[in-house]
Amino acid sequence: EAGVTQFPSHSVIEKGQTVTLRCDPISGHDNLYWYRRVMGKEIKFLLHFVKESKQDESGMPNNRFLAERTGGTYSTLKVQPAELEDSGVYFCASRLTGGPYNEQFFGPGTRLTVL
Amino acid sequence: AQTVTQSQPEMSVQEAETVTLSCTYDTSESDYYLFWYKQPPSRQMILVIRQEAYKQQNATENRFSVNFQKAAKSFSLKISDSQLGDAAMYFCACDAQGGSEKLVFGKGTKLTVNP
Repeated sequence: EAGVTQFPSHSVIEKGQTVTLRCDPISGHDNLYWYRRVMGKEIKFLLHFVKESKQDESGMPNNRFLAERTGGTYSTLKVQPAELEDSGVYFCASRLTGGPYNEQFFGPGTRLTVL
Repeated sequence: AQTVTQSQPEMSVQEAETVTLSCTYDTSESDYYLFWYKQPPSRQMILVIRQEAYKQQNATENRFSVNFQKAAKSFSLKISDSQLGDAAMYFCACDAQGGSEKLVFGKGTKLTVNP
């Protein structure tokens, strides 16, 4: 069974540009989460989808971040325009409702560098 | 709001020895899960061990075990017979039930295993 995949693995952009990150969850997982880790700090929650609906977006930093999950499968996270403080590693995780221990399965992350 | 604190930014252990990583947390929820995740240098984060708050018995997974002290809100991870492959960032996380089950993480502990 394929795990959670994320694309790209690395992205280097200049301030003011736009970047779109993609996450493909484990097939059949209805819950999808985005997290971010800024260098040296905690991994912080950004938002949570249940199927195609945003369940909780309390962690989104500001309106420069837009997440979508069309059709309840893969998700994209767009940053527009990117700022220096957006640099970090963006993790995606998926979970099956009713699965054991509420375990979230993580992708490898996308390392975003804004210059 | 939940918080998770890992007070050891870095730890080191000799191969075959035992090491304990500390974690404290704070939550107002009565029902929650606690997790230790491992992120090796290749960046894929994987679940090491989990503990349900309502269970008094400490969880164990082969060489990994936890010391769960609910009253003290402490959840330390013990790694026995340390192996070179245990070298990684270790993140402690808490997951409150009844909501989005988003994870709240500590800052992580970088574990080095010396041969």
